Amino acid sequence: GENVEQHPSTLSVQEGDSAVIKCTYSDSASNYFPWYKQELGKRPQLIIDIRSNVGEKKDQRIAVTLNKTAKHFSLHITETQPEDSAVYFCAASKAAGNKLTFGGGTRVLVKP
Amino acid sequence: DAMVIQNPRYQVTQFGKPVTLSCSQTLNHNVMYWYQQKSSQAPKLLFHYYDKDFNNEADTPDNFQSRRPNTSFCFLDIRSPGLGDAAMYLCATSRDRGTETQYFGPGTRLLVL
Repeated sequence: GENVEQHPSTLSVQEGDSAVIKCTYSDSASNYFPWYKQELGKRPQLIIDIRSNVGEKKDQRIAVTLNKTAKHFSLHITETQPEDSAVYFCAASKAAGNKLTFGGGTRVLVKP
Repeated sequence: DAMVIQNPRYQVTQFGKPVTLSCSQTLNHNVMYWYQQKSSQAPKLLFHYYDKDFNNEADTPDNFQSRRPNTSFCFLDIRSPGLGDAAMYLCATSRDRGTETQYFGPGTRLLVL
C-alpha cells in the first residue's frame, strides 16, 4: 500500500521567515496531494492541494510543488505569521483508491 | 452554514459502556469516513461508506461499528470502549472516492473513565 513520509516533525521559524515541509510517497499511481492544517483541538482544514498534472500551485502565501519523478511534494509558507502555528499534514491518494494516506504531521511554531 | 456536523463535541463514557457518535452533512456527498486521531498523530481511517456500501479497514477492531441510515447521517458505535479508545473521532465526507477532496467535521473528543 501507499506510504507517505513527512519531514520535519517539528519546525520552529521566526515570524516573517519561510517554512518548508517535505513529503515523499511510495505509490507512483498516486495523483492527488492535499495539505491539511490542524490547529489545537480543531478539525483538519484543507489549505491547498495539487494534482499530478501540475508541478506547482500557489495561493497567496502558500505554495505546493510536486516532483512526480522523485515522488515528493513540498509545502512552502512565506512571510510566516503567528497564526500559521499549527500541525500540518500532507496526504496522497489515487483515482482508483478509496482513501487518503497521511504523513506523520509537522508541528510548526512561528515565534513572534 | 456548517457542512459536516458532529455531535456531541465531547463525550464521556465508562469503560465497557456502549457509546454512539453521530455525523451529519449538508453537502450531499456520496462518501462518509470515520477517523480516529490521537495526540496530534495523523488521522487513522477506521472505515468509510461509499453510498450504502460499507468498507472496513483491515486493522479496525471489531469493537467499532458504523451505520449509515441515509445520505446525510452516519454513526460510529463503540460497543465496549476501552481506555485505549479515548481519542478524537473525526467524520469526513467527499463527493466521491479516490482523488476527491475530503472535508472534515469538528470532531468528537471521547473520554473513557
